[in-house]
Amino acid sequence: NAGVMQNPRHLVRRRGQEARLRCSPMKGHSHVYWYRQLPEEGLKFMVYLQKENIIDESGMPKERFSAEFPKEGPSILRIQQVVRGDSAAYFCASSPLSRSSNQPQHFGDGTRLSIL
Amino acid sequence: QKEVEQNSGPLSVPEGAIASLNCTYSDRGSQSFFWYRQYSGKSPELIMSIYSNGDKEDGRFTAQLNKASQYVSLLIRDSQPSDSATYLCAVPLAAGNKLTFGGGTRVLVKP
Repeated sequence: NAGVMQNPRHLVRRRGQEARLRCSPMKGHSHVYWYRQLPEEGLKFMVYLQKENIIDESGMPKERFSAEFPKEGPSILRIQQVVRGDSAAYFCASSPLSRSSNQPQHFGDGTRLSIL
Repeated sequence: QKEVEQNSGPLSVPEGAIASLNCTYSDRGSQSFFWYRQYSGKSPELIMSIYSNGDKEDGRFTAQLNKASQYVSLLIRDSQPSDSATYLCAVPLAAGNKLTFGGGTRVLVKP
């Protein structure tokens, strides 16, 4: 499967635990984006990364959220001390090697995070 | 004014008819425009991209762009029940690659 791969598909956490969401971009893509979709709301940008670099994190909450895209391995979105309001679908998208905004982004199947 | 605005719908169309979806955006400097389809509980799927003024056709889909009016639309010809979904307009605003999405238009195609 050459598409954007996200895992897990579903993640259940209790309040105060940590959530780790993983994303492997499409083959040949080096730009990764994370978006969040709260229930009954639209998609909101969170963070844009390239290998070993955070390019734009203007959509990330100031606390508890972090993201990385290491030289080897998938991109990770990490949420510490989760709260009920973190329950959402988290989507990863990737685009080819280009800083141009003309490149379309292709989305993974998402991770549905539920906080008990 | 929202940065990317769409009518939320639902837009109800009979099978075989044309569904017309509209999107306006705030940044006059935007150069790229994307339409995604999202089925309930699923991820967004890219269906059209458009970069130049005018029309772009792909199968039953036609995207129309008018940069002067800051307006982009999507037409779905010969609508099928399988077209029932939420259609998202997405625009990279200002400098950078991050997409700003409209709230989506829910389309219902009735047999």
